[in-house]
Amino acid sequence: SQQGEEDPQALSIQEGENATMNCSYKTSINNLQWYRQNSGRGLVHLILIRSNEREKHSGRLRVTLDTSKKSSSLLITASRAADTASYFCATAIIQGAQKLVFGQGTRLTINP
Amino acid sequence: DSGVTQTPKHLITATGQRVTLRCSPRSGDLSVYWYQQSLDQGLQFLIQYYNGEERAKGNILERFSAQQFPDLHSELNLSSLELGDSALYFCASSVGDSQETQYFGPGTRLLVL
Repeated sequence: SQQGEEDPQALSIQEGENATMNCSYKTSINNLQWYRQNSGRGLVHLILIRSNEREKHSGRLRVTLDTSKKSSSLLITASRAADTASYFCATAIIQGAQKLVFGQGTRLTINP
Repeated sequence: DSGVTQTPKHLITATGQRVTLRCSPRSGDLSVYWYQQSLDQGLQFLIQYYNGEERAKGNILERFSAQQFPDLHSELNLSSLELGDSALYFCASSVGDSQETQYFGPGTRLLVL
């Protein structure tokens, strides 16, 4: 698997339901970030969680980080049609010059 | 609006040609990053500049080059273009040379015919 691999690749749910996306990574990290991309647009930063943090909230977003399992999850509660987008995790790996390594993304579709 | 601007928004050109993509980072940001996003490759890191100097290199082809100018704007030059270079090219910026938040521009959509 790659550094920063999201699961599932695609997710389709009904409006009002909760959406959960997962990210797994291989090497030790300083922090992990989640970004959103609406179709064909630039990525927008959602939340950053540091390696010594376990959970973080921002509005309807909840991110968890389990460094022992090298995994993170992004929960979007009470989903809305406007949440339809691709979601990427980005890992700030400890070794290497590249600052952030992005995963392949989860395509989330919220059905009205 | 992230504060990062990219021009042009769209570019259509032919194989073998050369193009220049331009990026202006957010005010005060010293780092500029270039990424390529295609359907089959996802978001690929190309190169990073920090305060005018190359800081990190990713999967950037030898046909591609970049630079960051004294006013901190950056240009990505793509030459001897091939059909496979068709993609979205994003520029991002951050305050320093660290692993904190990156702010992305709207991208340049390049189509090579």
